[in-house]
Amino acid sequence: AQSVTQLDSHVSVSEGTPVLLRCNYSSSYSPSLFWYVQHPNKGLQLLLKYTSAATLVKGINGFEAEFKKSETSFHLTKPSAHMSDAAEYFCVVSVLKDTGRRALTFGSGTRLQVQP
Amino acid sequence: DTAVSQTPKYLVTQMGNDKSIKCEQNLGHDTMYWYKQDSKKFLKIMFSYNNKELIINETVPNRFSPKSPDKAHLNLHINSLELGDSAVYFCASSQRVAGGKETQYFGPGTRLLVL
Repeated sequence: AQSVTQLDSHVSVSEGTPVLLRCNYSSSYSPSLFWYVQHPNKGLQLLLKYTSAATLVKGINGFEAEFKKSETSFHLTKPSAHMSDAAEYFCVVSVLKDTGRRALTFGSGTRLQVQP
Repeated sequence: DTAVSQTPKYLVTQMGNDKSIKCEQNLGHDTMYWYKQDSKKFLKIMFSYNNKELIINETVPNRFSPKSPDKAHLNLHINSLELGDSAVYFCASSQRVAGGKETQYFGPGTRLLVL
């Protein structure tokens, strides 16, 4: 079965320092992987996605993620955190259901806190 | 220019009531979904419709019934509401592409509180 594991439930960084949010996946085939962000009391916004093209994926707001098949990882990074980056981040894998259709399976989320 | 919209945004109701949440997308997508986010922020798919046909139905109580009048709308009706139904419900949509590489776009969520 396909799944994702977010290794940190909570990450705290200082403004201007790098951000690293870790995600490992398990999949028996080449997966589609996504990072979504949820700001407090808001909906889910797509940050970036990997669909078997370039392994380094650039997203919105300066975020990027690298697909590493050997490590089954899809970590999210940003060189310099901004206060507005404080939110909940979800690593997501697209899974094939028994019906032959696809659905998203979400990780448990990582809450990013940015200190001034 | 709203892509995926949900109404209402907030819903507070008593146990035992019946309520509906509406979802509309103007992206021309052929597939729509309902997800439930619990108090620990965990998101899980409930249903998916493709061109008005139910294609995914996870283990959800029969009290939950999705209805898709057309491919731009997917409504969620909940009968006999229980305390455990309190959650944030997200609607999403996508367009099927070859290889299953489609992206889902989410609505703003409906915050349901059952008292």
